[in-house]
Amino acid sequence: EVQLVESGGGLAQPGGSLRLSCAGSGFIFSSYYMSWVRQAPGKGLEWVANIRQDGGGANYADSVQGRFTVSRDNAKNSLFLQMNSLRAEDTAFYYCAREFRSGYSVNYFDYWGQGALVTVSS
Amino acid sequence: DIRMTQSPSSLSAYVGDRVTITCRASQTISNYLNWYRHKPGKAPKLLIYAASSLQSGVPSRFSGSRSGTDFTLTISNLQPEDFATYYCQQTYSAKWTFGQGTKVEIK
Repeated sequence: EVQLVESGGGLAQPGGSLRLSCAGSGFIFSSYYMSWVRQAPGKGLEWVANIRQDGGGANYADSVQGRFTVSRDNAKNSLFLQMNSLRAEDTAFYYCAREFRSGYSVNYFDYWGQGALVTVSS
Repeated sequence: DIRMTQSPSSLSAYVGDRVTITCRASQTISNYLNWYRHKPGKAPKLLIYAASSLQSGVPSRFSGSRSGTDFTLTISNLQPEDFATYYCQQTYSAKWTFGQGTKVEIK
């Protein structure tokens, strides 16, 4: 059974840092692109970042570019999101998600974690 | 970045109704369009991928279509478990983006 479990959420001060982790199991972690998606309170889903199978080719939403860094450790089946220079508007549930990619327009998130809450407040 | 504009932002409907949600892309995205259903406290669920393909295990009351850069999700015979928020998502560009969501509420 495919499982994604986030950890590392919590309270951070504005300007501070936090690191999220996502542990994958039940599949060959190194074969998949992985993403982070967030949902702020009362808001919709926002794609944050993704990373290629080999750890290269990271992409970021404009809202986090230059502040957040996505990385992975395939030996430990783990995905990370290093969040620096945090702002109040970064307060959200953060989900890791597995990307299914195929040809012919077929790309989507097929598995999600349950989310980790990040609160940025003084 | 590609912007996805969903409409309406919310709607009210009865069980058994037919509901239509629209998503417009700011540029061509071919068929790289997915639809998800999201309930509070749960992971989003994929309903439709590649604009019109039904994900395995999803009831046939869900359907998707495309006309140029306009995409539509139709739910026929609305069921109690369908009251949730629906999102479109484009995966054409390197930065996958969502629409702002459509909340379907019970009338």
